[in-house]
Amino acid sequence: AQTVTQSQPEMSVQEAETVTLSCTYDTSESNYYLFWYKQPPSRQMILVIRQEAYKQQNATENRFSVNFQKAAKSFSLKISDSQLGDTAMYFCALTNDMRFGAGTRLTVKP
Amino acid sequence: EAQVTQNPRYLITVTGKKLTVTCSQNMNHEYMSWYRQDPGLGLRQIYYSMNVEVTDKGDVPEGYKVSRKEKRNFPLILESPSPNQTSLYFCASSLTGNYGYTFGSGTRLTVV
Repeated sequence: AQTVTQSQPEMSVQEAETVTLSCTYDTSESNYYLFWYKQPPSRQMILVIRQEAYKQQNATENRFSVNFQKAAKSFSLKISDSQLGDTAMYFCALTNDMRFGAGTRLTVKP
Repeated sequence: EAQVTQNPRYLITVTGKKLTVTCSQNMNHEYMSWYRQDPGLGLRQIYYSMNVEVTDKGDVPEGYKVSRKEKRNFPLILESPSPNQTSLYFCASSLTGNYGYTFGSGTRLTVV
């Protein structure tokens, strides 16, 4: 069975600094996709970034980047130049059945 | 606008009174799924569907029913709601699961 683990229930960071959220997973699939979703207080689920497992290059979307370590089954999210609007729950997810982790609540402090 | 529409956004009901949460998508997506979100547990999949008339149980299907008679609609039915089904529910759809899901706005359900 596929599992996704986020071991940091809560994190905080000062505005303009960098923060890294951790995610580990387990799957027997050889090809799969990993995602980070953001859920702000509005509760809308927003796709932040997507990584294809067969691609060695780490995905990047503006201030958001991932560190994908396939052998270690690790998929961390790095947020650079944190902004107040980054305050949200962040969920790591794994295909093919879109299994989610328990989430990390990130607070960006002014 | 491409979207997943869920209704209602908020619902308070009493134990045992049947209810349906509707979900509709206008993107011609094959995949649709229902999740419940509870503090500390993340999003747990209730049911999913890979095509019309094809549905499968997720991790927490007990007490829920779904149907997929049309591609665009995937309603969630609680035949006899109980207080432990109080939760935030999300419907989501995807062309294929590999591109991630588009989520509805969520339904906050309270069963008293």
